[in-house]
Amino acid sequence: DTGVSQDPRHKITKRGQNVTFRCDPISEHNRLYWYRQTLGQGPEFLTYFQNEAQLEKSRLLSDRFSAERPKGSFSTLEIQRTEQGDSAMYLCASRSSGEQFFGPGTRLTVL
Amino acid sequence: AQSVSQHNHHVILSEAASLELGCNYSYGGTVNLFWYVQYPGQHLQLLLKYFSGDPLVKGIKGFEAEFIKSKFSFNLRKPSVQWSDTAEYFCAVKTMDSSYKLIFGSGTRLLVRP
Repeated sequence: DTGVSQDPRHKITKRGQNVTFRCDPISEHNRLYWYRQTLGQGPEFLTYFQNEAQLEKSRLLSDRFSAERPKGSFSTLEIQRTEQGDSAMYLCASRSSGEQFFGPGTRLTVL
Repeated sequence: AQSVSQHNHHVILSEAASLELGCNYSYGGTVNLFWYVQYPGQHLQLLLKYFSGDPLVKGIKGFEAEFIKSKFSFNLRKPSVQWSDTAEYFCAVKTMDSSYKLIFGSGTRLLVRP
């Protein structure tokens, strides 16, 4: 499969714990995006990388959230001290010059 | 700020019925518009896109959409739906800043009854 992959697909955690998600984009895509989708809503932009540089962050991305893309390949999204409001589907997408291709998402449940 | 509105949150149709899902966007400049579909248990997939040129665009699986600039609309249509079209449909606009991020509508859940 040469699409965007995300790991894990599901994560259940207790409030206050830290979680980290991984996204592997399509190999030749230099642009990578993270979105968050809550029930009944469309995906909302969180952050954007071009190669290894994080060029834009949404105000939705509080200081408990951090994202990295070392070497411009895979990316990680970490949430520290999770809260119940962080429960959502976290989507990763990548693109080169055309459309964005989305991964399957990581569904986070914070108990 | 750019935004996208989808008027119908839930639509129920019988097979062979015609479909039209509304999408309106707010942005005064050049827009690139998309419809994505999410089938149950699957990831978001591109259905069709409009960048420029012919305002009537055709996508996969018999879907089409019409860009009407004067109405800021990009409605999705299909003449005859199938049970397999049951899915959630999202309209999106691409920002024209350097990130080219997508702004999504809240989605429309379509249920097609056999």
